Amino acid sequence: DVKVTQSSRYLVKRTGEKVFLECVQDMDHENMFWYRQDPGLGLRLIYFSYDVKMKEKGDIPEGYSVSREKKERFSLILESASTNQTSMYLCACQLDSPAGYTFGSGTRLTVV
Amino acid sequence: AQSVAQPEDQVNVAEGNPLTVKCTYSVSGNPYLFWYVQYPNRGLQFLLKYITGDNLVKGSYGFEAEFNKSQTSFHLKKPSALVSDSALYFCAVRVLVLEGVYGNNRLAFGKGNQVVVIP
Repeated sequence: DVKVTQSSRYLVKRTGEKVFLECVQDMDHENMFWYRQDPGLGLRLIYFSYDVKMKEKGDIPEGYSVSREKKERFSLILESASTNQTSMYLCACQLDSPAGYTFGSGTRLTVV
Repeated sequence: AQSVAQPEDQVNVAEGNPLTVKCTYSVSGNPYLFWYVQYPNRGLQFLLKYITGDNLVKGSYGFEAEFNKSQTSFHLKKPSALVSDSALYFCAVRVLVLEGVYGNNRLAFGKGNQVVVIP
């Protein structure tokens, strides 16, 4: 089975800090995604990547950036954390279409 | 817009009773449809998918879903609910994305349904 590992389950950061959320998958999948999950809003796509060094904006990219230097690792970066970025962040990977996604366990980020 | 809708925020059902979680979709072309479940403070887990073929799809943990093209629906069902089925359920549909350098696809998720199974 594919394993998707998010480095932190819970994270507390201060406003203005630069925050890195790491995601690593172990099955050589091309496609990787970052979502945030908020009550009543479901999952919203932040960024995705279909290849190394490639990135595409999702529906809500403002305030975020990403890095994919190696195939197995897809990092989400909050350049200057703000309280409205307090959320659950979910990483997912996908082998190809029409495969579904495999999700990590999520990182619950609180910005104070 | 290509999307899915989950019209109910919460579904309450007594243990042992049938469980139905509703989903309708709107896509261009043939739909690829998925159901995921999320337990508290966890990521989403895949339950089942419809790509083509039989309209009744069977998945994990005794769940099944029925694809209905005329009603553009993909409702999740379980004949006899368990307390352990209490969780958040998400419907998703493949969305074709053609703009940008990479023409590709991604999944669009509904807002989720909280299922509460009452002992």
